[in-house]
Amino acid sequence: GENVEQHPSTLSVQEGDSAVIKCTYSDSASNYFPWYKQELGKRPQLIIDIRSNVGEKKDQRIAVTLNKTAKHFSLHITETQPEDSAVYFCAARPNNAGNMLTFGGGTRLMVKP
Amino acid sequence: EPEVTQTPSHQVTQMGQEVILRCVPISNHLYFYWYRQILGQKVEFLVSFYNNEISEKSEIFDDQFSVERPDGSNFTLKIRSTKLEDSAMYFCASTPVGQGAGYTFGSGTRLTVV
Repeated sequence: GENVEQHPSTLSVQEGDSAVIKCTYSDSASNYFPWYKQELGKRPQLIIDIRSNVGEKKDQRIAVTLNKTAKHFSLHITETQPEDSAVYFCAARPNNAGNMLTFGGGTRLMVKP
Repeated sequence: EPEVTQTPSHQVTQMGQEVILRCVPISNHLYFYWYRQILGQKVEFLVSFYNNEISEKSEIFDDQFSVERPDGSNFTLKIRSTKLEDSAMYFCASTPVGQGAGYTFGSGTRLTVV
């Protein structure tokens, strides 16, 4: 089955700096890659996603890049703010009938004011 | 904005007891899911449900687990005989179609097995 690795597990940045979180996946047939933000005790919330036919997608301060050949995708957050502090999860959707998502291990992002 | 609703928000149960976690997916969604998250760990897929049957299940979803859509609106997860290691946050989710997009998670049920 699909396996998603995520790095780093923790990331501390100064407010205003950029943050980059990287994920690799194993199943070359995976075709959908969402990123979720989870605040303490809350549900995962989708912040951005990308499909396998696209190399990059941007939404204001966040962007995601996908390299299908290398089977990795990354989340980029620019001009970080304290409210960006949370755990971020990447995920991949294998190409199967179940429409399941396989999640990475998560990155705890801390933005210091 | 439509939401996936889960009840209860927190359930404490004795080991060996049966629990039923309830979810009301978004009304025009067709796919339903259960995921769990052990404290401090990643979100793990349990089961997906489409057209009144299980589409896929993970190896976590063993014979102790079952899902049901009893009345066209609720989607339930039953754990027959709970174990300590079943303690986790359980998230229900739904999507309108089977292309991965539009995953909406509920607010979760924190299950504590004592």
